[in-house]
Amino acid sequence: EDQVTQSPEALRLQEGESSSLNCSYTVSGLRGLFWYRQDPGKGPEFLFTLYSAGEEKEKERLKATLTKKESFLHITAPKPEDSATYLCAVQAVGGADGLTFGKGTHLIIQP
Amino acid sequence: ETGVTQTPRHLVMGMTNKKSLKCEQHLGHNAMYWYKQSAKKPLELMFVYSLEERVENNSVPSRFSPECPNSSHLFLHLHTLQPEDSALYLCASSQEGTWGTDTQYFGPGTRLTVL
Repeated sequence: EDQVTQSPEALRLQEGESSSLNCSYTVSGLRGLFWYRQDPGKGPEFLFTLYSAGEEKEKERLKATLTKKESFLHITAPKPEDSATYLCAVQAVGGADGLTFGKGTHLIIQP
Repeated sequence: ETGVTQTPRHLVMGMTNKKSLKCEQHLGHNAMYWYKQSAKKPLELMFVYSLEERVENNSVPSRFSPECPNSSHLFLHLHTLQPEDSALYLCASSQEGTWGTDTQYFGPGTRLTVL
């Protein structure tokens, strides 16, 4: 059974204080690992897709990396508008196309 | 705007009511999904439709009945729900079949409250 564990559950940072969010996963065969951002009362907003170990992707203050067992979402010099819940999900090779999600990391950036 | 719309955005229903949730995607995708998001729990996959055929049920109770009349529209018919079915119901779509294009894009969700 595919599993995704995200840590920490919640993280409070000062504006400009860089940090990383962790996503550990077990999957029979990884087709893709996805990061989403979710604001309260809204649907998840797509950030990144990673397909193979060693791959990295960047977007503004965010950078996602992937190993064979985990992914990190690095946030550099965050701003209050980066406050949100960040979700990690995996998609397995050969199965149906649904995603298996973690519970998310609730990130708060204080001014 | 992601190109996936859902209506209604909020719904309150009694346990004996029948209602339907609607999802429409404007992205030209060929696969659509229903997910359930409850408090303190991860998003849970409910149904997958690919090329308008259901490919995964994921052991969802029969009081939830999906319908996909074409590749742009997806419905979730609800009847005799329980209070524990109160949640945010999310629709997503993707372009299945081509490596690198299978990212799922989500709608804003329908907040369902069952009294």
